[in-house]
Amino acid sequence: NAGVTQTPKFQVLKTGQSMTLQCAQDMNHNSMYWYRQDPGMGLRLIYYSASEGTTDKGEVPNGYNVSRLNKREFSLRLESAAPSQTSVYFCASSENRQETQYFGPGTRLLVL
Amino acid sequence: DAKTTQPTSMDCAEGRAANLPCNHSTISGNEYVYWYRQIHSQGPQYIIHGLKNNETNEMASLIITEDRKSSTLILPHATLRDTAVYYCIVRVASGSARQLTFGSGTQLTVLP
Repeated sequence: NAGVTQTPKFQVLKTGQSMTLQCAQDMNHNSMYWYRQDPGMGLRLIYYSASEGTTDKGEVPNGYNVSRLNKREFSLRLESAAPSQTSVYFCASSENRQETQYFGPGTRLLVL
Repeated sequence: DAKTTQPTSMDCAEGRAANLPCNHSTISGNEYVYWYRQIHSQGPQYIIHGLKNNETNEMASLIITEDRKSSTLILPHATLRDTAVYYCIVRVASGSARQLTFGSGTQLTVLP
């Protein structure tokens, strides 16, 4: 039981490049989330998926898109990366929308 | 979600109990108290949560005052691996709440 896994662990992009961050959970959770964490700051919600087939915007969705591929997987895409998107990205899942959230190890992204 | 106040930092000797306080004087009747921690560079880790009664699990104990305006997280025998930022979060467990709002937390340093 791996919990929540994220790939890649680290990534360096040039401004304007695109990439997809992958997240998978093996806990049969319905809800999944993408957060970003900037130095010295708390986590901010980018997008979430309350259940398979649904996605909703969080606090800071601009510049991102998401796909809930199936119940296990929830990906985050940066179509045209900007330096302001340099951050650590965490994926989380919960049994339902209001339940305890379990986090992955994070993806560290640097946009030059 | 109600606002929480925590000390910025605390030290604790290895093997001793670590008691981390949290004030949440504006908590509503349907709001739970959650505790998470974040060890440097890792994803946040769920510790414990409660509504009114004291709670205990394999990681910690949560003591909530009778008026629910404050709580204390207790790590009974702190180890060096417990050095982390500890976040007290108050949120509803039903309804539309979906984002975990992490404040600045308490940096706990366990000293050898």
